[in-house]
Amino acid sequence: NAGVTQTPKFQVLKTGQSMTLQCAQDMNHEYMSWYRQDPGMGLRLIHYSVGAGITDQGEVPNGYNVSRSTTEDFPLRLLSAAPSQTSVYFCASSRQGNYGYTFGSGTRLTVV
Amino acid sequence: DAKTTQPPSMDCAEGRAANLPCNHSTISGNEYVYWYRQIHSQGPQYIIHGLKNNETNEMASLIITEDRKSSTLILPHATLRDTAVYYCIAMGAGSYQLTFGKGTKLSVIP
Repeated sequence: NAGVTQTPKFQVLKTGQSMTLQCAQDMNHEYMSWYRQDPGMGLRLIHYSVGAGITDQGEVPNGYNVSRSTTEDFPLRLLSAAPSQTSVYFCASSRQGNYGYTFGSGTRLTVV
Repeated sequence: DAKTTQPPSMDCAEGRAANLPCNHSTISGNEYVYWYRQIHSQGPQYIIHGLKNNETNEMASLIITEDRKSSTLILPHATLRDTAVYYCIAMGAGSYQLTFGKGTKLSVIP
């Protein structure tokens, strides 16, 4: 059982470039989320989804797009990378209801 | 979701019980208390959660006071691998956002 898989693990982008962070889960979880973590800070929610075809914004959505065409996948798109988006990005998933989230191992993104 | 307050850091001797407190004095009736931990540079790991009854699983025990204004996470026999930042989060039923504060940095000392 792989859990939540994030790719790539590391990425360096130039300002203005676009890219997609991949997230896949094999637990048939309805809920999926993207968080970012900056040094010395807690995780902040970017976007979340409660099921295929349904997404919504979190606390810090600007500069990011998401889609959820399948239950398993929840990619995060950076439209035009900025240095302020340098961060560690975590994807998480959970069953519907009051259950804990399973997190991926993270993508470390640097924008230069 | 209710705000939680945790001490910034704690030490615990290896093999002893680690008791991590959390204050959530404004918690509402439908909010659960969740505990996660984050070992350096890894993704957060779910530990345990509860509403009002005490809970135990293979990782830890959660003790919630009767008035639900505070709780304690207990790691019964701390090991060096339990060194991590521990987050206490109050989250309502049907909420999708985990609000992470600064947590408690637990250092297990040999």
